[in-house]
Amino acid sequence: EAQVTQNPRYLITVTGKKLTVTCSQNMNHEYMSWYRQDPGLGLRQIYYSMNVEVTDKGDVPEGYKVSRKEKRNFPLILESPSPNQTSLYFCASRLGDQPQHFGDGTRLSIL
Amino acid sequence: KQEVTQIPAALSVPEGENLVLNCSFTDSAIYNLQWFRQDPGKGLTSLLLIQSSQREQTSGRLNASLDKSSGRSTLYIAASQPGDSATYLCAHNAGGTSYGKLTFGQGTILTVHP
Repeated sequence: EAQVTQNPRYLITVTGKKLTVTCSQNMNHEYMSWYRQDPGLGLRQIYYSMNVEVTDKGDVPEGYKVSRKEKRNFPLILESPSPNQTSLYFCASRLGDQPQHFGDGTRLSIL
Repeated sequence: KQEVTQIPAALSVPEGENLVLNCSFTDSAIYNLQWFRQDPGKGLTSLLLIQSSQREQTSGRLNASLDKSSGRSTLYIAASQPGDSATYLCAHNAGGTSYGKLTFGQGTILTVHP
């Protein structure tokens, strides 16, 4: 089944404790991206990647890192999480101008 | 700055009604536009994608249209059902390439009651 898989689905952690949210897609898509979704602000892009070893900042990249060492994986790294990064996070992938596929989301709470 | 606006923010209708959701965007240099559905606690599911060269796309009871000159897209849902209750988001790619960034609207929360 074609899908985008994120882990974990839920995480409660404390300020400053490094965490990684993994994202994997099995559709051989070149383009992958991370979004955060907040009430009243909608979906905002954090980072995106056009292909392996090619990444770039989206609209709200501060406090986040990404890497793209393999085509299928695009992890989101929070080196020193802060409470303002509490949010619902989505990973997505697509092939060119085809429909974008989303993961089920990761709800992060940073205390 | 590219902006996407969806009206109304929320809509409640009885089962069986036909309805229209609206999406407007400020950048007319659109590459394509997508409509998504989001169920509570879930990710987004793509419903329809309209390329800039197209005027509309249809899938079952859904029909999406695109008018680039006026900066508008509509999603028409025929014979609505309670299972259609969800948040509907539109997103446009005005980045000039097939890999341009998608800019999302805030969504329309649809409730279809029996």
